Amino acid sequence: QQQVKQSPQSLIVQKGGISIINCAYENTAFDYFPWYQQFPGKGPALLIAIRPDVSEKKEGRFTISFNKSAKQFSLHIMDSQPGDSATYFCAASSGTSYDKVIFGPGTSLSVIP
Amino acid sequence: DGGITQSPKYLFRKEGQNVTLSCEQNLNHDAMYWYRQDPGQGLRLIYYSQIVNDFQKGDIAEGYSVSREKKESFPLTVTSAQKNPTAFYLCASSLGLAGTTDTQYFGPGTRLTVL
Repeated sequence: QQQVKQSPQSLIVQKGGISIINCAYENTAFDYFPWYQQFPGKGPALLIAIRPDVSEKKEGRFTISFNKSAKQFSLHIMDSQPGDSATYFCAASSGTSYDKVIFGPGTSLSVIP
Repeated sequence: DGGITQSPKYLFRKEGQNVTLSCEQNLNHDAMYWYRQDPGQGLRLIYYSQIVNDFQKGDIAEGYSVSREKKESFPLTVTSAQKNPTAFYLCASSLGLAGTTDTQYFGPGTRLTVL
């Protein structure tokens, strides 16, 4: 019940296209869903996050869509650029156990010119 | 310049040796964490600490030890009991506000290789 599933494992998108990464969770106590971006050899950095009281959050080219009833959330990267090539992790956590974040296995995104 | 620093960036260990990975933060965060990252497996929690002089085991604590003598420092020791220590180790910190979720900030990582 603590698992966060993420798909696809890897993704190749052409420059200017839309990248979509999907995540699903089981634990209904989760109430915070961040996305992290990690470049090779670097630590993950927070990209965007959402709480379940909204269905969508947009920051620049990055949008999180959240479906509370389906327990699914997704990251959309509009106008994908080669500089977006990185590994993306979705995550989930609960205010009742603030010290523990459950990460998805990651998606390796390659944006080709 | 605030942030989390980890050292060394690369570390090589011989079989049977203990090694210590350093993690320092100047963000004035109460909570600190250690994760292990293996290819295709995401991040797995080793240990976490909510306050000074207190820490808890994560999902894969066997073969690791930590200390939290200062708020800004949370070193991780990989002992000889850890059978497969080759991995990328990430330290993180957060405000650690009780009863709420807060964002974790990660350091640049240490890549440990057992020779």
